[in-house]
Amino acid sequence: EDKVVQSPLSLVVHEGDTVTLNCSYEVTNFRSLLWYKQEKKAPTFLFMLTSSGIEKKSGRLSSILDKKELSSILNITATQTGDSAIYLCAPSRGSQGNLIFGKGTKLSVKP
Amino acid sequence: NAGVTQTPKFQVLKTGQSMTLQCAQDMNHNSMYWYRQDPGMGLRLIYYSASEGTTDKGEVPNGYNVSRLNKREFSLRLESAAPSQTSVYFCASSGQVLLLFGSGTQLSVL
Repeated sequence: EDKVVQSPLSLVVHEGDTVTLNCSYEVTNFRSLLWYKQEKKAPTFLFMLTSSGIEKKSGRLSSILDKKELSSILNITATQTGDSAIYLCAPSRGSQGNLIFGKGTKLSVKP
Repeated sequence: NAGVTQTPKFQVLKTGQSMTLQCAQDMNHNSMYWYRQDPGMGLRLIYYSASEGTTDKGEVPNGYNVSRLNKREFSLRLESAAPSQTSVYFCASSGQVLLLFGSGTQLSVL
């Protein structure tokens, strides 16, 4: 059975801290792994990772995939209150590339 | 604005009532999806449609039906709503892998 495990499930930090969010997966016919950020409403896309070891960056956020370890991390440096959200990890699988979502990491950044 | 449009945004039903959630996308995507999101459970796939004219079950299809009316529209129907179907429902579409989500429907079944 396909599964995705994110850790920690919740995290409280102060502005300026650096955080690392973890995602491990076991999926059939793995194709790629996506990260989403969810604030009050719909998830919004952050990164798509297809190749192992290649870091993707967007401002203070970065992410990397390790296909050997079946895992990915999402790093956020110099956190801000606006980073408070649920971060979702979603590997894609099978011929249709359907995503399976982890339960998410709820990040709270205190001023 | 281009994107995924869901209606309604909020709905309250009584147990046993039926309703249809509507979803439309204007990005010419082939694939469309319905997810539900419950606290502590993440997003779970209800049904998806890989292309116009096809639909397939996801992880939690029981109690739901779908219709891919045309390439743009994908509806989700609850024939006889149950309190266990209280949830936030998201429609999404994709050209290949990347999912773009609608703004969600908050459904309460009393």
